[in-house]
Amino acid sequence: DIVMTQSPDFLAVSLGERATINCRSTHNLLYSSNNKNYLAWYQQKPGQPPKLLIYWASTRESGVPDRFSGSGSGTDFTLTISSLQAEDVAVYYCQQYYRSPFTFGPGTKVDVK
Amino acid sequence: QVHLVESGGGVVQPGRSLRLSCAASGVTFRSNAMHWVRQAPGKGLEWVTLISFDGTTKKYLDSVKGRFTISRDNSKNTLFLQMDSLRAEDTAVYYCARGGDTSDAFDTWGRGTLVTVSS
Repeated sequence: DIVMTQSPDFLAVSLGERATINCRSTHNLLYSSNNKNYLAWYQQKPGQPPKLLIYWASTRESGVPDRFSGSGSGTDFTLTISSLQAEDVAVYYCQQYYRSPFTFGPGTKVDVK
Repeated sequence: QVHLVESGGGVVQPGRSLRLSCAASGVTFRSNAMHWVRQAPGKGLEWVTLISFDGTTKKYLDSVKGRFTISRDNSKNTLFLQMDSLRAEDTAVYYCARGGDTSDAFDTWGRGTLVTVSS
């Protein structure tokens, strides 16, 4: 199985400051036939289901604010919140959808400092 | 906009069965793969099972193989999860999620239904 890891586990950032979350895969998620990375990012607020933020490692889902961006390729990926807002307090998960089982990272909790 | 609503959760004894449903509304879901994802209390997300748009392909997490069965009825826009031989470690909120139109990422999620396996 592909194992996903994230760092840090917890991140406290001042409002308006940048938040950066890292995700690493034990398998190359770049599919050579279409040059796409099968990596997604989700946001989960307390008491709510996850919400898709980013797919193909860097494509923002419709309606997601442009302060959220994804980068990386292969086995190393990053989610950046360029200017943290109060409503961004949540747990963030990366996920590989390269092959089943479609594993998630353990999550990174983001809070306001 | 697609809405997914799960139902069928509850408290069940170990070894017993439960059947979850996920009703889609807003747009038909017959063109999309569908998934079940679970989240144990206070824990992270764990993918459980996938069914292709036409029901011909199914994949399972190893720990549920032989115990859980995913199915769908495209005429009724409904996804199912039959869970047999339930164990305490199956206790979780179960979400249904839709595979996206433009990627296979999970673009729509239900609010989940809680399954508690306890004697």
